[in-house]
Amino acid sequence: KNEVEQSPQNLTAQEGEFITINCSYSVGISALHWLQQHPGGGIVSLFMLSSGKKKHGRLIATINIQEKHSSLHITASHPRDSAVYICAAPPLRGDKLIFGTGTRLQVFP
Amino acid sequence: KAGVTQTPRYLIKTRGQQVTLSCSPISGHRSVSWYQQTPGQGLQFLFEYFSETQRNKGNFPGRFSGRQFSNSRSEMNVSTLELGDSALYLCASSLEGITNYGYTFGSGTRLTVV
Repeated sequence: KNEVEQSPQNLTAQEGEFITINCSYSVGISALHWLQQHPGGGIVSLFMLSSGKKKHGRLIATINIQEKHSSLHITASHPRDSAVYICAAPPLRGDKLIFGTGTRLQVFP
Repeated sequence: KAGVTQTPRYLIKTRGQQVTLSCSPISGHRSVSWYQQTPGQGLQFLFEYFSETQRNKGNFPGRFSGRQFSNSRSEMNVSTLELGDSALYLCASSLEGITNYGYTFGSGTRLTVV
């Protein structure tokens, strides 16, 4: 069993839909990271959160430390949101990231 | 300010050869970590360097090695290349370390082993 699990693996949506991507982890962590990877490979860090909720534009990330679960929401989705979204957790010991398998999102006009 | 620069962007090598990839972090960042991304295994941690010392290492064979220079630039080396080493190699730079600080990824080096 992976230490960081994501669902769904693939997601298609119509422009304007509300999107939710889930991430569960089994390791003790100091923070949970959400990353976005566009075709071509470049990775952008979206959020780093250790409690509660963070919002940036149309993106919202939440985390429940007790349940070891985090969600990434995209409101009013747009085709430019099409990308792979990856959650990553740094274990309490060691400066590294353990990654989820990623969620491939396609938003159609 | 300049981002994280990885060179080269693309590389094609033959089985058995060795390869060296370079990562120049954001100015002032002392931590550089390396990751391998393949379709089958996803993103996996290779190693992390901080102030010229390897601080963490992932589960990769000894053919994968790295180093960091006094200016924080880092290189990773893969010797005796295998077909399975074909991957996107990403580095990330951070002020002190990924766990508690923000970090920035480079665009990656896509290595193809034939």
